[in-house]
Amino acid sequence: AQRVTQPEKLLSVFKGAPVELKCNYSYSGSPELFWYVQYSRQRLQLLLRHISRESIKGFTADLNKGETSFHLKKPFAQEEDSAMYYCALSELETSGSRLTFGEGTQLTVNP
Amino acid sequence: NAGVTQTPKFQVLKTGQSMTLQCAQDMNHEYMSWYRQDPGMGLRLIHYSVGAGITDQGEVPNGYNVSRSTTEDFPLRLLSAAPSQTSVYFCASSSILANEQYFGPGTRLTVT
Repeated sequence: AQRVTQPEKLLSVFKGAPVELKCNYSYSGSPELFWYVQYSRQRLQLLLRHISRESIKGFTADLNKGETSFHLKKPFAQEEDSAMYYCALSELETSGSRLTFGEGTQLTVNP
Repeated sequence: NAGVTQTPKFQVLKTGQSMTLQCAQDMNHEYMSWYRQDPGMGLRLIHYSVGAGITDQGEVPNGYNVSRSTTEDFPLRLLSAAPSQTSVYFCASSSILANEQYFGPGTRLTVT
C-alpha cells in the first residue's frame, strides 16, 4: 500500500532563511508526487507537482526515487509562506486516481 | 465559474442524527472525492467516484454513504452521526486526464 510521511508536524523559520519541508513515500509502482498548500482560512490548492518540474512562489521539489523523497525547498522564506503544507502521492499510470496525503507540516515564518 | 462548492460551511449534530453534506462542481470533472481532515492525520479519503453512477470506498468509509447521480454533484451522507466523525470535510474534483484535484472550502462538522 502506498504511504506518505511528513516527519515534521511543525516547522518554524525566520524570514529570509532557507526552508525545507520533508516528504518521504513508499510505493511499489511509478508515483506522481504533489505538494498542496492550505493558507489560513482558505481551501487546499495545488502548489506544484513533480512532473511539471517548475518553481512556484519560489518553491521547488525534486523527486528522488533512490531515497523515495520529494522534499519541498525555498531558499528565502517569506512571511506569506506561513501555511499548512501537504505532500501527496497518486499512481502515475492511473489518471484521476486517488491521492494519498501525508500528515501535513505547519510552516510558520517569523518576521 | 464557481469551481467546487460545499454546503453547509458549519454544522453541529447530535449523536445519532443523520445529515447530508453537499458538494458540487461546474468544471465537468469526472473524478470527485471526499476527504476528512483531522489534526496530525492529514487528509484521509472517505469515498470517491470516477463518473456518474460509479463510486468506491476510500481509506475510511465506515459511517458514510455516497452516490453520484450526476457529473456535477457528489453528496456525502452521515447515516448516524458519532463524535468520532467530528472533523473538517473536503470535497475535491479533477479531470481524469489532468489529475490535479481542486478542493472545496470545507465543511466543519461537530458531533456532540
